[in-house]
Formats: sequence, C-alpha cells, structure tokens
Amino acid sequence: GAVVSQHPSWVICKSGTSVKIECRSLDFQATTMFWYRQFPKQSLMLMATSNEGSKATYEQGVEKDKFLINHASLTLSTLTVTSAHPEDSSFYICSAREGGLGDTGELFFGEGSRLTVL
Amino acid sequence: GQNIDQPTEMTATEGAIVQINCTYQTSGFNGLFWYQQHAGEAPTFLSYNVLDGLEEKGRFSSFLSRSKGYSYLLLKELQMKDSASYLCAAMDSNYQLIWGAGTKLIIKP
Repeated sequence: GAVVSQHPSWVICKSGTSVKIECRSLDFQATTMFWYRQFPKQSLMLMATSNEGSKATYEQGVEKDKFLINHASLTLSTLTVTSAHPEDSSFYICSAREGGLGDTGELFFGEGSRLTVL
Repeated sequence: GQNIDQPTEMTATEGAIVQINCTYQTSGFNGLFWYQQHAGEAPTFLSYNVLDGLEEKGRFSSFLSRSKGYSYLLLKELQMKDSASYLCAAMDSNYQLIWGAGTKLIIKP
C-alpha cells in the first residue's frame, strides 16, 4: 500500500522555540494532506487541510499563525509549530490522499510525531 | 450537526467474536472508514464502505447501512494483539472525515 513518512517521530523542545514536522508521500502524489492532533485519551482532531500549491484551510479554533502549514509539492507538507508552549505538547499526525482518478478516499497516515514542550 | 457514536469500551475473550457498532450523522456521505490504533501509534486503515452490505477481509469484516446511518466492524478469532482502539469515521460531502471518539477493545485470555 501507499506509504506516508513523517519526521521526526519524537521531538523535545524548549518553550518559545519553533518545531517543524515533515510529512512525505513516498510512492504517490498527494494532492491533499491533512494534519491532526491527538491529546491523550482523546480522538484525532483535524487541524487543517492542505492542498498542494494553495493555502491551508484551518479548522475552527486552530491558530493559523501558530501552526504554519506548507504544501509546496505533491509529496511534501510541513507543519511548523511556532513559539511552542507546554500546552502544545501533543501527538501530531499527518495523512495524505492521492486525489484524481486514483482516489478511493482512503487516507494514508504518517507514523506520527510526539511533541513535548518543556 | 455532524456526529459519530460508538461505544467507549468493549471487552472480549481471546478466540471469540466481537462486533463494534457505529452510527453516524453527516452532511452528505462519501463513505465510512474503520481504523485501528494501538496506544502511542498512528491509526492504520482497516476498511472502507461506501455501498450497503458486508465487506470481508480476513478476520475483519465491515458492514454498512446507509439508510440507517449505521456500520459495524466484526472481528473474528480474536487475538491478544487485537487489543487497540477502533475508530469509526464518516466522510462528508466535502470529503472531510468526521471521527468518532474510538472504541477501546480489551482482549482477555
């Protein structure tokens, strides 16, 4: 099946610093990528939807200036958590959809990135 | 509004069968997904139903009734490794996934 790679898997940073998480589709072109956040014992929460070459669409309550999303190519999307604070500590997961005629609607998930802000 | 309901937790015995139900209400419908998630890991795709009926895939089967807004995931010959959370998600008319909170499945020997 299709593979989505997410990096880094684990990151610890100091409060006030910025962290970038990468999401790559390795064997298909992802026209749409989704970024999710999951707090302990809670379900996945969609943060934003990004389409290649256009601005991301953020869900209500998600600060676009704090969570910068870039989807510059059909195989790479990045999420940058700017000026991270301890409350941003969470599990961040990306998923990708192929789009076009090959789109079955199936989402392919990255491995997730666990962010801990000290 | 859009809503997904599934039980919070279920317990079953190794070797048995368990059925996890899911009801959904969405603005438009483009399919129903089941994902498995082990603690600390990303979800993995199990099944996708867009037409009514039963889809069988090895030990796992998924059923959909669009008229009832209902789906279930059936797990047979349960193994200890099946202990995980099972997430039901419905895709709405904008192709956004509406997620349930997940059902934690506990398998006992």
